Amino acid sequence: ETGVTQSPTHLIKTRGQQVTLRCSSQSGHNTVSWYQQALGQGPQFIFQYYREEENGRGNFPPRFSGLQFPNYSSELNVNALELDDSALYLCASNSEPSTDTQYFGPGTRLTVL
Amino acid sequence: GIQVEQSPPDLILQEGANSTLRCNFSDSVNNLQWFHQNPWGQLINLFYIPSGTKQNGRLSATTVATERYSLLYISSSQTTDSGVYFCAVPKTSYDKVIFGPGTSLSVIP
Repeated sequence: ETGVTQSPTHLIKTRGQQVTLRCSSQSGHNTVSWYQQALGQGPQFIFQYYREEENGRGNFPPRFSGLQFPNYSSELNVNALELDDSALYLCASNSEPSTDTQYFGPGTRLTVL
Repeated sequence: GIQVEQSPPDLILQEGANSTLRCNFSDSVNNLQWFHQNPWGQLINLFYIPSGTKQNGRLSATTVATERYSLLYISSSQTTDSGVYFCAVPKTSYDKVIFGPGTSLSVIP
């Protein structure tokens, strides 16, 4: 069983640029959630995708957008990067939105200069 | 919305010691998870425990849903237990998870 993978592992961007982060869900999982974790804080929910549709969104502006593909992999896109977007971005998958356990990927560490 | 608190915020243990981490939540939940985040950022599921008690090796967890708290016990701590422990509860019935602020644990040899 393949776990959740994310790419890239690290990324450096400058303010105003755009970034795309990628996530491959665990085999058999059709639900992907994205989280932002600032330094020293707990992860904060950005949004969830279930069968290619957005299935809930946290308190993040529209410049945070996402996609889920037919193979259930997912992308997180952030436009007009700000310094405060610097964080660890985590992706998690589960087999259905209502199942108990989410499995997390290793994260992408984004630095905005 | 639901509030999640964890205590203590920081903990330093001598290797071999035992500890108890606490998670309080402000509303009834049908799901609670404990995670360990290692120093490299990887989040690992420890327990899914909406109620009752579970054990996995040196770790065990108890959730008293009626009193809105959960406890994570670590016995005979090892240096590899170091990291941040989070409890997390669902925001809605669709398991969009809210994380507590975490307990940062350092186990020293």
